[in-house]
Amino acid sequence: AQSVAQPEDQVNVAEGNPLTVKCTYSVSGNPYLFWYVQYPNRGLQFLLKYITGDNLVKGSYGFEAEFNKSQTSFHLKKPSALVSDSALYFCAVRDESGTASKLTFGTGTRLQVTL
Amino acid sequence: SAVISQKPSRDICQRGTSLTIQCQVDSQVTMMFWYRQQPGQSLTLIATANQGSEATYESGFVIDKFPISRPNLTFSTLTVSNMSPEDSSIYLCSVKVANTEAFFGQGTRLTVV
Repeated sequence: AQSVAQPEDQVNVAEGNPLTVKCTYSVSGNPYLFWYVQYPNRGLQFLLKYITGDNLVKGSYGFEAEFNKSQTSFHLKKPSALVSDSALYFCAVRDESGTASKLTFGTGTRLQVTL
Repeated sequence: SAVISQKPSRDICQRGTSLTIQCQVDSQVTMMFWYRQQPGQSLTLIATANQGSEATYESGFVIDKFPISRPNLTFSTLTVSNMSPEDSSIYLCSVKVANTEAFFGQGTRLTVV
C-alpha cells in the first residue's frame, strides 16, 4: 500500500522568508510524487512533480521540491514566500509499479504567510 | 494538459434526495477519478471510472450510494444517493493524461440539510 505523511498541519512564515512544507512517502515500487495547492473554494492546482531524473524539480509560482530517496521525502520549498502563497498544500504519491493509477494524498498543510 | 468542467459548483440539498454531479473533459481520457474531500480533510478516492466497464470502488464506498456513469471518453457523472448531512463534502473529478500529473475539476461543494 502507498501512503503519504504531511507532519505539519500548518506552517507560518513571514513574507520574504524561505518556506518549507514537509512530505514523506511510502510505496513498494518507484514513486511518482506530486504537489498540489488548493485555494479557498477552488479545486486542486498542480504545482510540480517528480517522475525521474534530477532530484530537484521546479514548478509553478517559484516553488521547487527535492526528492530524497534515502529519506523517502519530497519537501516543498520556496526561497521567498509571498502573502498570496497562503493556501492548503497537498503532497501526493502514485506507485507506478502497480496496476492501479490512483493518487494517495497527504492530509494537507495550511501555509500562512504574513506581512 | 486537460481542462475539466464540473457542474454544479455548489448545491444545498435536502436529506434523502440525490444529486448528480457532471464532469466534462476537453480531451479523451481513459480513466476518470472521483474524490471526496470532507470538511477540513484530505482527498479520498471514491472510485475509478473507465469507459465501457463498471466503475471500481474503493473500500468504504459502494455503487448503491455513489453510482457512476461513464458513457464516453470525455464525460462522467457521480450521483450521491439518499443523502444525509454526513455526505456534505466537496466532490472532485480528476483525470490523468498519459503518464503525467492528474488534473482536477473545480469541485462541487455539497451541503446536505
